[in-house]
Amino acid sequence: LAKTTQPISMDSYEGQEVNITCSHNNIATNDYITWYQQFPSQGPRFIIQGYKTKVTNEVASLFIPADRKSSTLSLPRVSLSDTAVYYCLVGGNTDKLIFGTGTRLQVFP
Amino acid sequence: GAVVSQHPSRVICKSGTSVKIECRSLDFQATTMFWYRQFPKQSLMLMATSNEGSKATYEQGVEKDKFLINHASLTLSTLTVTSAHPEDSSFYICSAKRGSGSVGETQYFGPGTRLLVL
Repeated sequence: LAKTTQPISMDSYEGQEVNITCSHNNIATNDYITWYQQFPSQGPRFIIQGYKTKVTNEVASLFIPADRKSSTLSLPRVSLSDTAVYYCLVGGNTDKLIFGTGTRLQVFP
Repeated sequence: GAVVSQHPSRVICKSGTSVKIECRSLDFQATTMFWYRQFPKQSLMLMATSNEGSKATYEQGVEKDKFLINHASLTLSTLTVTSAHPEDSSFYICSAKRGSGSVGETQYFGPGTRLLVL
């Protein structure tokens, strides 16, 4: 199982773009990269998943360089409601997901 | 996205009693479900992997006789905390894996169950 490293916390202001980078130097060939968002007293919510290059959906973009040893979650124009903990996980189809510390994002008005 | 529910959302019980938590995948079949525990200000800790029709696989340090897991169908897994003690008070979260076995399956999480043991 690939270990991930993320910043413990980040601060931003409403309307700004937030980029959270995750390192996963030991990622395996069949591992996907998945990001989750968690609010207090709620289960994690799936945000986005990717394998390589760039993936975009209605809430975020995920940038993965060619060596796949890191990935960056990009949240465009954050709002106060984006204040949460963001987890980066890697794993293949038979792997259990092991959560790291996550990144606590605080958005200020 | 796929929906996973948990019941109850919160429960308070006396020390020594047993508590059952249900996890259901509402709009998909899940051959594999997972149970996590989360203490305040900490990350999720995987407790066990639950496979439909077979015994659960527990992570190191998790007592299988204390945390009984049953995956009776493709949409239901239950976690029973037996002889609960105050130190078992925590936030229990389940997840279900959706997919056909190909790479990139996504796990969807339930809303969690807050257990308080008095």
